[in-house]
This record gives sequence, structure tokens and C-alpha cells, in this order.
Amino acid sequence: QKEVEQDPGPLSVPEGAIVSLNCTYSNSAFQYFMWYRQYSRKGPELLMYTYSSGNKEDGRFTAQVDKSSKYISLFIRDSQPSDSATYLCAMLNNNDMRFGAGTRLTVKP
Amino acid sequence: DVKVTQSSRYLVKRTGEKVFLECVQDMDHENMFWYRQDPGLGLRLIYFSYDVKMKEKGDIPEGYSVSREKKERFSLILESASTNQTSMYLCASSALTGGSYEQYFGPGTRLTVT
Repeated sequence: QKEVEQDPGPLSVPEGAIVSLNCTYSNSAFQYFMWYRQYSRKGPELLMYTYSSGNKEDGRFTAQVDKSSKYISLFIRDSQPSDSATYLCAMLNNNDMRFGAGTRLTVKP
Repeated sequence: DVKVTQSSRYLVKRTGEKVFLECVQDMDHENMFWYRQDPGLGLRLIYFSYDVKMKEKGDIPEGYSVSREKKERFSLILESASTNQTSMYLCASSALTGGSYEQYFGPGTRLTVT
């Protein structure tokens, strides 16, 4: 079993839809939970991170962490074609960081 | 607004060649990382460094070595390139201070070994 599981997609939605991206993990020691966005031919860009459980909102993006279920989510409201990218989840404990494989998202105009 | 730069965007090398990939960050971050990214496998950590001259093996260090002589520079060396090292290589730097976390990736180097 991988330490971090993420559905690779691809996921295709119409513009304006709510997008839900998810990851599960197995190591309960993780304390920081991140979401990265990676456009084609670019390095990943840190979108947002959450410490421990709870929700965090930043504009159209909401990150949720449920440590009891070892499950994290990223919601994108009012999705735009410019949101089309690969989204990677990652978890961190001290210097041990694990990434999901990434979900490829396409938002169609 | 340059934060993390990598020496090459695309590189083609032959089997057995020694390959140097350089990474420079301008944010005074203590931590620097080298990952490789392959389809379906996500990012896998090769090596990381939490201070000058310090290095730690990641998940897949075999066939690689690193050097960190200055805080801002972290080099990845492929001692004898092989075709299974064809991949996208990503460098990153990070800092975790007072509960605030920041990490930046470079644009990546796509290495092809023939």
C-alpha cells in the first residue's frame, strides 16, 4: 500500500462546476497537509497547506483535513479553465514529505 | 520574482555519462530537495539537505549523489547515467518557521538518457 493514495483521474468538468480532489494516507504522524498545482511543463506550485485537522479557505479554494479518517480534500468553487492543471497532495512530518501521484483536472469552457 | 532556478530545462545525455544538475534558491531556505517525477508515480524524493554540507537519502538515492557547499546551491549528480534515469527532475527549497510553511519548486529539468 502506498503511503499516499490519489486518484490520477483524468477529471473533466464544465466551467463553473465545483471540483473535489481527494487523497488518503496511511501514516498518522503527518502534521502538515499541502496541495500543489502543476501546470504543464512547470514545477509544482504550493496552493495552500493546513496544519493538523480542519478546514482552510483561500478564495475559491478550500482544503479539508480529517485526520481520524486519514483523508484530505481540496474543493474548487466556480472552476475556471485556468484551473486546468495537475493537482498534487502532499503530507509532511518533520522532513519526511510524501506526495500523491497527482490528479489531472481539465475545466472546459 | 525568481525563487528557485535549475541549470537546464532539457538535457540529453548518453548512457554512462556523468550528469550534473544544479539548483539555486534565493530565499535563504535551510532545506533543499531533489525529486524525480514520473507518470503514475508522482514525486519521489532522491535526496534532501537541511543545511550546508548536510545531506540525507530520500526514497530512491541509488545512482545519485548530491553536493551542498553553499546554502543557496544544491547539486544532483548522476555518476553514470542509465536509461532508467530518464525523468523530470525537480528541485525545491522550503522553510518551516513558527508554524508557517513555504516551499518553492524550480521549473524542472527533463533529462533523457539514450
